[in-house]
Amino acid sequence: AQKVTQAQTEISVVEKEDVTLDCVYETRDTTYYLFWYKQPPSGELVFLIRRNSFDEQNEISGRYSWNFQKSTSSFNFTITASQVVDSAVYFCALSEDRGGSNYKLTFGKGTLLTVNP
Amino acid sequence: DGGITQSPKYLFRKEGQNVTLSCEQNLNHDAMYWYRQDPGQGLRLIYYSQIVNDFQKGDIAEGYSVSREKKESFPLTVTSAQKNPTAFYLCASSRQDRGYEKLFFGSGTQLSVL
Repeated sequence: AQKVTQAQTEISVVEKEDVTLDCVYETRDTTYYLFWYKQPPSGELVFLIRRNSFDEQNEISGRYSWNFQKSTSSFNFTITASQVVDSAVYFCALSEDRGGSNYKLTFGKGTLLTVNP
Repeated sequence: DGGITQSPKYLFRKEGQNVTLSCEQNLNHDAMYWYRQDPGQGLRLIYYSQIVNDFQKGDIAEGYSVSREKKESFPLTVTSAQKNPTAFYLCASSRQDRGYEKLFFGSGTQLSVL
């Protein structure tokens, strides 16, 4: 069975600090997708990134970067020079893809990030 | 602006009452989903719909019902059979019901029991 573990329930940092959110996943499939979503206080989840299991290249988007390592089944998310607006709950999610609509999407329990001024 | 609109933002249910949560999208997406979020928990899938007039149960469908009469609309009814309905409900959509598709979410409805 697939599983997503976000071991950090809450993280609190001071503005401008770097912070890494951990995500560890379990799957028996060879084809799968990993996602990160952000849930600000307004409530709606916002898509941040998607990676497929065949692409381990790390990605950087502005202050955000993602480190995908199949060897350790991890897909960690780093925010550089954090800002107050980064305060949110961040969810990691895994989708096992068996073709067509035959897939299952599993969310981690989320990490609440608080960035203090 | 394209997006997903959920209403109401807050809803209160009396014991024995059915309540309906609204979800409308103008993204022209085929697939729509309802998730339940409890404090400190991940999202759990209630129902999903791949196409108009078709829907399937998710992981926690008991006590809920849905309809998909129009592509744009996917209302969720929380029935009196749902004994623990207090939660944050999120509606989402995607272009198709595929594992690689990203989801677009509404801003949610907080349901509480009086």
